[in-house]
Amino acid sequence: GAVVSQHPSRVICKSGTSVKIECRSLDFQATTMFWYRQFPKQSLMLMATSNEGSKATYEQGVEKDKFLINHASLTLSTLTVTSAHPEDSSFYICSAWDRENYGYTFGSGTRLTVV
Amino acid sequence: AQSVTQLGSHVSVSEGALVLLRCNYSSSVPPYLFWYVQYPNQGLQLLLKYTSAATLVKGINGFEAEFKKSETSFHLTKPSAHMSDAAEYFCAVSEGYGQNFVFGPGTRLSVLP
Repeated sequence: GAVVSQHPSRVICKSGTSVKIECRSLDFQATTMFWYRQFPKQSLMLMATSNEGSKATYEQGVEKDKFLINHASLTLSTLTVTSAHPEDSSFYICSAWDRENYGYTFGSGTRLTVV
Repeated sequence: AQSVTQLGSHVSVSEGALVLLRCNYSSSVPPYLFWYVQYPNQGLQLLLKYTSAATLVKGINGFEAEFKKSETSFHLTKPSAHMSDAAEYFCAVSEGYGQNFVFGPGTRLSVLP
């Protein structure tokens, strides 16, 4: 079946540094990528939606200059958390939409801890 | 705007007992509905989905859910719980294929021996 490889699975970084999270669709073309954030013991909240070759659309309250999303190809989307702070510590999950097979595939998630 | 509620943040059942996880939604358009399971520090695994075909949907691992438009519900059931079913379960709604999900708050299922 469809697979989305998300890396890294865990990352610890210092406050003020940047972290890049990658989501790669291995056997299909991800025309749309959704990025979600999940705080401990909470549900998943949509952060942004990106379509290949277009600028991402951010949800209200999500800073586009802080969470940089790039979707330059049909198989790769990245989320960069810039100038990370402890309150950015969370579980980030991507979800790829496969238009050809009408299916969504989630990545395995990235646990970000900012110290 | 769409929304999802899940009654009961934590449900405990005995091994072999019926599992019932509740989900109610609101949507301004005919919804697509999903149930996902999440194990600790892992991504989401699709259990089943409703996309306007049969109202009784069968999924993986013995789970099924019934779409009831009149009740705006999509409850998840399994006749006999197994220890491996202990996890977090999320109900989600979408306005259609290719659209984002709106997730419910989740229900943690515990299975007691």
